[in-house]
Amino acid sequence: LAKTTQPISMDSYEGQEVNITCSHNNIATNDYITWYQQFPSQGPRFIIQGYKTKVTNEVASLFIPADRKSSTLSLPRVSLSDTAVYYCLVGEINNDMRFGAGTRLTVKP
Amino acid sequence: DTEVTQTPKHLVMGMTNKKSLKCEQHMGHRAMYWYKQKAKKPPELMFVYSYEKLSINESVPSRFSPECPNSSLLNLHLHALQPEDSALYLCASSQAGTTRTDTQYFGPGTRLTVL
Repeated sequence: LAKTTQPISMDSYEGQEVNITCSHNNIATNDYITWYQQFPSQGPRFIIQGYKTKVTNEVASLFIPADRKSSTLSLPRVSLSDTAVYYCLVGEINNDMRFGAGTRLTVKP
Repeated sequence: DTEVTQTPKHLVMGMTNKKSLKCEQHMGHRAMYWYKQKAKKPPELMFVYSYEKLSINESVPSRFSPECPNSSLLNLHLHALQPEDSALYLCASSQAGTTRTDTQYFGPGTRLTVL
């Protein structure tokens, strides 16, 4: 199972862009990279998934360099409601994926 | 409908009680999961069911007994729990099961307190 490493916490201010980087040095050829968001006392919520290069949806972008040993979740113009824990998961199939420690993002006014 | 429901929302039980947690989804997903989450920790995978068959048991103590009666329902039977089992229990489901990575949809969880 590919292990992931993320910063424990990050602070930002409303309106700023936030980039959270995840390291996954032993990622396998068939592994996908998936990010989830979790608010207190709620289940995690899927944000974005990618395999290589760049993926963008209505809430975030995911940047994956050519060697795929890291990935960066980019949240444009964060608001207070983006305060949450963000998890990076790596795996080929759901059974392979395990939640790492996550990054606790605090958005300040 | 992209909702996973879990009941009850809160449960308090003694160490000698028997109780069950229930999870339901109507998205046609064929993989369902139980996770345990302690405060300020990430979710820990407990069990995975794929096509109603147990495919993963992460060395969970036998006082936790999962059951998948049909493709929409997932139960977690609890017996003789310990206070350290107090946690948020999360259920999730996904479409593709073990064939490929797919989005997991999580329920809101059951907050369990063992006295």
